[in-house]
Amino acid sequence: AQSVTQLDSQVPVFEEAPVELRCNYSSSVSVYLFWYVQYPNQGLQLLLKYLSGSTLVKGINGFEAEFNKSQTSFHLRKPSVHISDTAEYFCAVTYTGTASKLTFGTGTRLQVTL
Amino acid sequence: GAVVSQHPSRVICKSGTSVKIECRSLDFQATTMFWYRQFPKQSLMLMATSNEGSKATYEQGVEKDKFLINHASLTLSTLTVTSAHPEDSSFYICSARVGTETQYFGPGTRLLVL
Repeated sequence: AQSVTQLDSQVPVFEEAPVELRCNYSSSVSVYLFWYVQYPNQGLQLLLKYLSGSTLVKGINGFEAEFNKSQTSFHLRKPSVHISDTAEYFCAVTYTGTASKLTFGTGTRLQVTL
Repeated sequence: GAVVSQHPSRVICKSGTSVKIECRSLDFQATTMFWYRQFPKQSLMLMATSNEGSKATYEQGVEKDKFLINHASLTLSTLTVTSAHPEDSSFYICSARVGTETQYFGPGTRLLVL
């Protein structure tokens, strides 16, 4: 079955420290990969996406992610976080042949403190 | 660009009544929209795929007679929760697809059924 795994349910980090949020997906021939951020009581905002081409993708708010096909991973990184980055982060994958349905991970709560 | 709105943002209703939630793509046309449900501190669960001019496709376990979806135009999809009960209380989020892969999400609707 197709699945997306976000191993860390919570990631506490100090402000200005780097952070990596991990995402692994079940192997497939072709996938599209997404990271979304959700602030409390709000919808999801697209951070970045990988459709094809360069495996290192840059998104909004200083985030970037790297697609690693051999490890079936798409980890999200930011070199220096800010208090305002505190939110829930969801990794999502579209598998070919699924009519562009998104399969979501369970989410990672990023908690940035001073 | 790619802005999706939802109305209302919050609704409280009595058990047994019906509630309609609107999802609009404000600056683009969307032939395909999606409806999700999100329980507290959980990921998004896809309820149905809404296609303009045709019947919605429901995910397994979602009652089509309870969650009526109408996608009457290229910018509007509606979800009607019929005869709502307290267990239908949840956060409902829609998304609209741009191109063939990317979904942009609305801000969500908080439904509370008393």
